[in-house]
Amino acid sequence: EVKLVQSGAEVKKPGESLKISCKGSGYSFPNYWIGWVRQMPGKGLEWMGLIYPGDSDTKYSPSFQGQVTISADKSSNSAYLEWSVLKASDTAIYYCVRQGSYGDFDYWGPGTLVTVSS
Amino acid sequence: SYELTQPPSVSVSPGQTASITCSGDKLSDKYTSWYQQKPGQSPVVVIYQDNRRPSGIPERFSGSNSGNTATLTISGTQAMDEADYYCQSWDSSTAGVFGGGTKLTVL
Repeated sequence: EVKLVQSGAEVKKPGESLKISCKGSGYSFPNYWIGWVRQMPGKGLEWMGLIYPGDSDTKYSPSFQGQVTISADKSSNSAYLEWSVLKASDTAIYYCVRQGSYGDFDYWGPGTLVTVSS
Repeated sequence: SYELTQPPSVSVSPGQTASITCSGDKLSDKYTSWYQQKPGQSPVVVIYQDNRRPSGIPERFSGSNSGNTATLTISGTQAMDEADYYCQSWDSSTAGVFGGGTKLTVL
């Protein structure tokens, strides 16, 4: 059974840094693109980017390029989403997703709620 | 940047057919997927590769993609189908894009 397990909710202050994680199991982690989707409170889904753990090839949405860093560690079957300087507008649920063979996101994690507030 | 446009809301009576559209330039040149999201839950894919249903998704969900418009059709809509629905397209040039979402109300 494919599972994506995400790290727990975070409460941070503006200006702080943060790295959240997603651990995949039940499939060959290095061989599937894995990525992140943002959902701001009461809003829609936004694709942020993907990484191929096998070779660390990474694709970012233009909206998020330079704002976050996506990484992966195939030895621990984990993907990460990192901010160096958080803003209040980063408050959202962040979903980890696995990309299927046709560009769809066939498995979703439960989401990590990130709250940035002074 | 590439954009997908969905109607903000669609209403349907129980047992009737609901259609949700998703428009984008030359959308039929790309694969389109559809996701259902209920309150407090993670999205679930209900259609991928334009018209394929993952295992476990009821047959009443179907999809099509032609020209600039993809359509999610729910036949015999049930109360449990009330949710937000998002389209998403993918190709190597535009990468991943979501539509703005459609709130389906069953009343």
